[in-house]
Amino acid sequence: GDSVTQMEGPVTLSEEAFLTINCTYTATGYPSLFWYVQYPGEGLQLLLKATKADDKGSNKGFEATYRKETTSFHLEKGSVQVSDSAVYFCALSDQSMIYNQGGKLIFGQGTELSVKP
Amino acid sequence: KAGVTQTPRYLIKTRGQQVTLSCSPISGHRSVSWYQQTPGQGLQFLFEYFSETQRNKGNFPGRFSGRQFSNSRSEMNVSTLELGDSALYLCASSLTSGINEQFFGPGTRLTVL
Repeated sequence: GDSVTQMEGPVTLSEEAFLTINCTYTATGYPSLFWYVQYPGEGLQLLLKATKADDKGSNKGFEATYRKETTSFHLEKGSVQVSDSAVYFCALSDQSMIYNQGGKLIFGQGTELSVKP
Repeated sequence: KAGVTQTPRYLIKTRGQQVTLSCSPISGHRSVSWYQQTPGQGLQFLFEYFSETQRNKGNFPGRFSGRQFSNSRSEMNVSTLELGDSALYLCASSLTSGINEQFFGPGTRLTVL
């Protein structure tokens, strides 16, 4: 079945460092891909998305490009801040969603990011 | 516009009891999905409701059930609670079923003793 694999954390960076969180996926068909962020004690917030190959999603300085040839959707940010400390989840839309048979997201295990001043 | 709200935010129950969690979607959203989040298993899909009908279901035992009301509010119920049911239960809403942008609530933290 469909699955998402993320790099393991925790990832610890100094402020203003470059961030990459790797995400690869296995899926039948053409899923949409997402990055969600979860701050301590909160639910998930959609950070960015891409709906087809070569699309680039971006938001708040974060970017990710949908690479079908490498089945990847790596998250990047040029200069992280302390406020970016959170858990980041990569996700894909299940096949059933594509065929309008219900909404189901499949998530990776999450990568905890800690940014030190 | 108000976001997704979930009540209660925290619950403590004992084994064998049952529990009901509530979710109010964003106004105008008609699809509600539920997810379970645990440190060991991560985020797992429970079920999705649209127009008061269950559209999709994850691999959870029958002790987990849900429903949706005509105003799109949804409840999920867990009967005969087990220690392993301790988790953060997240509700997500979207405009309609099959739309892939889901907006999540803050979750209900369930602890089973």
